Amino acid sequence: KQEVTQIPAALSVPEGENLVLNCSFTDSAIYNLQWFRQDPGKGLTSLLLIQSSQREQTSGRLNASLDKSSGRSTLYIAASQPGDSATYLCAGPVTGANSKLTFGKGITLSVRP
Amino acid sequence: GAVVSQHPSRVICKSGTSVKIECRSLDFQATTMFWYRQFPKQSLMLMATSNEGSKATYEQGVEKDKFLINHASLTLSTLTVTSAHPEDSSFYICSAPDPGLAGDEQFFGPGTRLTVL
Repeated sequence: KQEVTQIPAALSVPEGENLVLNCSFTDSAIYNLQWFRQDPGKGLTSLLLIQSSQREQTSGRLNASLDKSSGRSTLYIAASQPGDSATYLCAGPVTGANSKLTFGKGITLSVRP
Repeated sequence: GAVVSQHPSRVICKSGTSVKIECRSLDFQATTMFWYRQFPKQSLMLMATSNEGSKATYEQGVEKDKFLINHASLTLSTLTVTSAHPEDSSFYICSAPDPGLAGDEQFFGPGTRLTVL
């Protein structure tokens, strides 16, 4: 059974800082890994998806990497802004397309002006 | 990215009533949709997998007779909470993978806040 861990549960940084959010998973047979953002009381917004054959994906100030052998993924946020404050979740299906996502508990990020 | 909608966004009902929540994929066809429940300050818990044209698959501990799922078309899945009780109050979110995108990226609806009085 896939288990996804995100540590720490909460993070507070000053504006402008570069930061790394970590995600670890137990089953290396991960099909892909997605990073999501959730604002309070809202649904999830897909940020980046890394397929099992890829090692990283970039979108704007965000860069996500995937190392299946070590069971780790990181989300790098460059030049953080107060608008980046949200909960960030990672998740991935194990067996392939259309299989259910296993979520970490998320990291609640607060970027101080 | 693809868009998934949910209706209603918020519902308040009396204990014992049934509530239907709709999940629609607006610009793609979804043979599979997923239903999650999220309690305050907790992560998403998968409740069931909704399969178009066949029965839903429920996760362990989820009562299929209480949480009825119907996936009648390739763009619509419904979750009905029957005889709702206060402990069913939660944030319900659906998702669907877009088969037209590499890696079947999943997209989530905005969620439905259910409050049972």
